[in-house]
Amino acid sequence: AQSVAQPEDQVNVAEGNPLTVKCTYSVSGNPYLFWYVQYPNRGLQFLLKYITGDNLVKGSYGFEAEFNKSQTSFHLKKPSALVSDSALYFCAVRDMRTSGTYKYIFGTGTRLKVLA
Amino acid sequence: GAGVSQTPSNKVTEKGKYVELRCDPISGHTALYWYRQSLGQGPEFLIYFQGTGAADDSGLPNDRFFAVRPEGSVSTLKIQRTERGDSAVYLCASSLKGTAKNTGELFFGEGSRLTVL
Repeated sequence: AQSVAQPEDQVNVAEGNPLTVKCTYSVSGNPYLFWYVQYPNRGLQFLLKYITGDNLVKGSYGFEAEFNKSQTSFHLKKPSALVSDSALYFCAVRDMRTSGTYKYIFGTGTRLKVLA
Repeated sequence: GAGVSQTPSNKVTEKGKYVELRCDPISGHTALYWYRQSLGQGPEFLIYFQGTGAADDSGLPNDRFFAVRPEGSVSTLKIQRTERGDSAVYLCASSLKGTAKNTGELFFGEGSRLTVL
C-alpha cells in the first residue's frame, strides 16, 4: 500500500531563515506526491505537486519541494520563512488501484512555527 | 467562484443519535471525497465518489457510516447510532476528474466538526 511519513511533529524556524518540512514516501510504481497546508479552523489548501519531470517543483506562496527518488523523499522548502507561514503542513500520495480509481493518502502532518 | 461548501460547520449531538453532514462540491467536479480528521492527525480517507457511484468506500469504519451522492453533485455523509469516538472534523474535497489521467489536486471544504457527547 502507498504511504507517506512525516517524521517531525513540529518544526520551528526564525523568520527570514530557510525552512524544510520533511516527507518520505513508500509507493509501488511512479509516485504522485502533493503538499497541502492547513490554517487554523480552515480546510486544506493545495500547495504543489510532483507528477513527473523536474525534481524541483515550485508552488504557491514561494514554496517548493524537491523530489528525490533514491531517498524516497519529497521535502517541502522555502528560502525565507514568514510568520504567516505558520500552519499545519501535510504531505500526500495518490494511491492508484487496479480498478483505475484512486484516493489520496495523507501523512500525520507537521506543525510549522515561524518565530518573529 | 464558490468553493466546496460543507454544512453544518459544527454539530453537537448525543451518543446514539443520527447525524447527516452535507457537502456541496465545486460545480463540474465529478470526483468527491470524504475524509475524517481527528485532533492532531492527518485526514483519514473514508469514501470516494466518481459521479453518482461510490468508487471506493474502503475507508468507512463500519456499517454505521454511509454516504450518498444521488445526482452526482451534493453528497451526504450519514452516521447512525453515533458514538463518542466519531467525534472529529469531517472534510469533504472535490476534484475535476477522477480518472487515471487526471493528476489534479483536491479542493477542500472547511469541514464539519462533529462532537458526540
